[in-house]
Amino acid sequence: GAVVSQHPSWVICKSGTSVKIECRSLDFQATTMFWYRQFPKQSLMLMATSNEGSKATYEQGVEKDKFLINHASLTLSTLTVTSAHPEDSSFYICSAQKGGGIGDTQYFGPGTRLTVL
Amino acid sequence: AQSVTQLGSHVSVSEGALVLLRCNYSSSVPPYLFWYVQYPNQGLQLLLKYTSAATLVKGINGFEAEFKKSETSFHLTKPSAHMSDAAEYFCAVSEGGGNQFYFGTGTSLTVIP
Repeated sequence: GAVVSQHPSWVICKSGTSVKIECRSLDFQATTMFWYRQFPKQSLMLMATSNEGSKATYEQGVEKDKFLINHASLTLSTLTVTSAHPEDSSFYICSAQKGGGIGDTQYFGPGTRLTVL
Repeated sequence: AQSVTQLGSHVSVSEGALVLLRCNYSSSVPPYLFWYVQYPNQGLQLLLKYTSAATLVKGINGFEAEFKKSETSFHLTKPSAHMSDAAEYFCAVSEGGGNQFYFGTGTSLTVIP
C-alpha cells in the first residue's frame, strides 16, 4: 500500500503562536510532497510543492514566510504556520508521490484541523 | 492551462440507484485524470485514475469512469448506490509541464435509504 500519515490530527493554538504539522510517507519514499488547504465545504487549494532537499515551490498568493515548508527526507515534510491568526484556521492536507513524474498518483494524509483562537 | 469543472455540487440518489458524478476538464495536452473520495474529517482516498491506457477505468468500491476526449469528460459512475458511498467526491487533473494536481470543487453525494 501507500500510507501517508499526518501529525497532529487536530490542534488548537493561541493567536500569534506557531504550529508545526508533520507529513510522513510510511511505506514508501516520496520524492515530492504537496500541501493543500481546505476550507469547509470547499475544494483543496494547493499551497506548495515540496521536493526533498530543495526549497518548496509556493503557489501564487501563499506567503512563504508564513507557511514554512521543510522536506528534510524522502519520508518527511513539515509545514509550520508561523504567527498563526484566526484566519489561518483550516483543514491542512498533505499528499505524497512515489515518483516525481507527471500523472503519478498522489497519496493523501488524513488531514490536520487547525483552530486558531 | 488546466482546469476541472464538476457540475452539481450536491447529488442525491436512492440506495440501489445509479450514481453519476460529472467531471469536465480543459487541458491543452492529454491529461491524467483522477477521482478521489473524501469522508468527513478525513483525507482523500484514490478511487481510480486515467493515464492514457484504456478509456474505461475501473476503480475501487464498484466505481468506474470513462474518459471521453471528444467531450473532455471523465464522469464517475456506479451502477448501484450504497449507503456507505455518501461522501464528497473530487475530480483532479494533472498534465504535462508539472506534477501538480488541480481539483474540481467537489460533489457531495447523498444516498437516500
